[in-house]
Amino acid sequence: DTGVSQDPRHKITKRGQNVTFRCDPISEHNRLYWYRQTLGQGPEFLTYFQNEAQLEKSRLLSDRFSAERPKGSFSTLEIQRTEQGDSAMYLCASSSGTGITTNEKLFFGSGTQLSVL
Amino acid sequence: AQSVTQPDIHITVSEGASLELRCNYSYGATPYLFWYVQSPGQGLQLLLKYFSGDTLVQGIKGFEAEFKRSQSSFNLRKPSVHWSDAAEYFCAVVPSMNRDDKIIFGKGTRLHILP
Repeated sequence: DTGVSQDPRHKITKRGQNVTFRCDPISEHNRLYWYRQTLGQGPEFLTYFQNEAQLEKSRLLSDRFSAERPKGSFSTLEIQRTEQGDSAMYLCASSSGTGITTNEKLFFGSGTQLSVL
Repeated sequence: AQSVTQPDIHITVSEGASLELRCNYSYGATPYLFWYVQSPGQGLQLLLKYFSGDTLVQGIKGFEAEFKRSQSSFNLRKPSVHWSDAAEYFCAVVPSMNRDDKIIFGKGTRLHILP
């Protein structure tokens, strides 16, 4: 499977715990995006990377959230001191450097479903 | 305010019937427009996109969409739905002034198919 891979698929945690999600983009895709999707809503942009550089962070990304892409390949999204409001599907997507304004597509993973109890 | 609106939260159609899902956007310039589908447990899949040119766009799975500048709309259509089309559909935009390809999604329309 050469698609975008996310791990784990599901995560249940207690409020106050830290969690980390991983995203493996399509090989050689240099852009990587994180989105969050809550029930009944469309995905909302969180942050994106061009290679290892984090170029933009949404206001949705509070200080408890941190994302890294240390070698320009896989990425991790960490949430510290989780709150019940963090319960959502966290989606990762990747694309080639020329972006989606050409004939390229943004490829999405299946997401990590986080439940904070 | 800049936005993308999907006025219908749920739509129910009978199998074999035609389908139209509505999408309106509010941006100063014509954005890049997309429709995605999300099935349970699956990632988002691109159905079709419009950047410029012919305003009637053909996509995968028999879907098409028509861009109407005068109505700021990009409605998705299918002449005959199949039970497997039951899913959540998202209209999305990339404002044309953006350089970072950040997609902004509508809230989605859930499609239910009656046998």
